[in-house]
Amino acid sequence: ETGVTQSPTHLIKTRGQQVTLRCSSQSGHNTVSWYQQALGQGPQFIFQYYREEENGRGNFPPRFSGLQFPNYSSELNVNALELDDSALYLCASSTPGTGELFFGEGSRLTVL
Amino acid sequence: QKEVEQDPGPLSVPEGAIVSLNCTYSNSAFQYFMWYRQYSRKGPELLMYTYSSGNKEDGRFTAQVDKSSKYISLFIRDSQPSDSATYLCAMSARAGGTSYGKLTFGQGTILTVHP
Repeated sequence: ETGVTQSPTHLIKTRGQQVTLRCSSQSGHNTVSWYQQALGQGPQFIFQYYREEENGRGNFPPRFSGLQFPNYSSELNVNALELDDSALYLCASSTPGTGELFFGEGSRLTVL
Repeated sequence: QKEVEQDPGPLSVPEGAIVSLNCTYSNSAFQYFMWYRQYSRKGPELLMYTYSSGNKEDGRFTAQVDKSSKYISLFIRDSQPSDSATYLCAMSARAGGTSYGKLTFGQGTILTVHP
């Protein structure tokens, strides 16, 4: 059973650019959630995807968007990058009713 | 005021010590309580999952929830150097369904267990 995998692991962008982060969910998991973890802070919920639709969103602006594909993998897109977007972006997958979220290793984004 | 408050530490203890980690929260809708362990440069790993008030034990780890006080704890007995990590508490109002993924995390407590 493969776990949650994310790519890329590290990337550097400049202000104003756009970035796409990718996530493959754990086998059998149809729900994907994205979190942003700033240095020294706990993860903050960005949004969740279930059956290819956004289902729940945290306090993040519309320039944070996402997709879920039929195979349950997911993308997080961030437009017009700002310095404060520098963080570890975590993807987590789950199945409804199990109560467990399985996290990937994260994608560390640095915005210069 | 943050919904979930967690003392960031850092906390340094000798090997074999009993460790107590705590979180307080303000949202009375929270019913599901979790503890995650996060090693440096890794994703969080679920340690304990508890519903409503009560205790749950798993090996050297014990989770306690007191909903009346809005207070949760994680105890680690016979702590080991390999327990050195950041410990995150997390909570949600619902489990299952399509909204489970929305967890509210504490800031995390950095724990170091030295030999």
